[in-house]
Amino acid sequence: GAVVSQHPSRVICKSGTSVKIECRSLDFQATTMFWYRQFPKQSLMLMATSNEGSKATYEQGVEKDKFLINHASLTLSTLTVTSAHPEDSSFYICSARSSGAVGNEQFFGPGTRLTVL
Amino acid sequence: AQSVTQLDSHVSVSEGTPVLLRCNYSSSYSPSLFWYVQHPNKGLQLLLKYTSAATLVKGINGFEAEFKKSETSFHLTKPSAHMSDAAEYFCVVSDESGGSYIPTFGRGTSLIVHP
Repeated sequence: GAVVSQHPSRVICKSGTSVKIECRSLDFQATTMFWYRQFPKQSLMLMATSNEGSKATYEQGVEKDKFLINHASLTLSTLTVTSAHPEDSSFYICSARSSGAVGNEQFFGPGTRLTVL
Repeated sequence: AQSVTQLDSHVSVSEGTPVLLRCNYSSSYSPSLFWYVQHPNKGLQLLLKYTSAATLVKGINGFEAEFKKSETSFHLTKPSAHMSDAAEYFCVVSDESGGSYIPTFGRGTSLIVHP
């Protein structure tokens, strides 16, 4: 099946710094990418949907100035957590979907564990 | 609007016994339905999907699910549990609400397998 990678897999940073997470579709073109965050023992919460070449659509309650999403190419989307604080510590997961996806299937990345000290 | 309800937060079974993870959905359109599995600190892996073809869907690792429109259900089953099946399972619905196929996740069911 289609493969989606995320980098880094784990990051620890100091409060106030910014962190960039990359999401890549390795063997298909992703017209749409999704960013989720997941707190321990909870479900995935959709943060935003990004379509290649256009601005991301953020879910209610998600600060777009804090969570910057760029989907500059059909194989790469980035999430930048700006001025990170301890409450931003979470597991961030991206998924990608191609325009020809059967049944709108998404392919998930392995996730990025962010810890803000 | 679409929604999905996973009725059990935890399901505990003995190795070798059947598994049933329940999922009910709500959709105003013809939905696509998915089951994903997540092992600790890992991403999500697709187990199976329903996309308006056969109502009984067979997936990987011996799992299967049946789409029942009359009951708005898509329960996940497996005849015999293995220790390696212990993980978190998510039911997901996706339809064309609002003109786009934004997926909605259930809260998840934790499957515990006892030796």
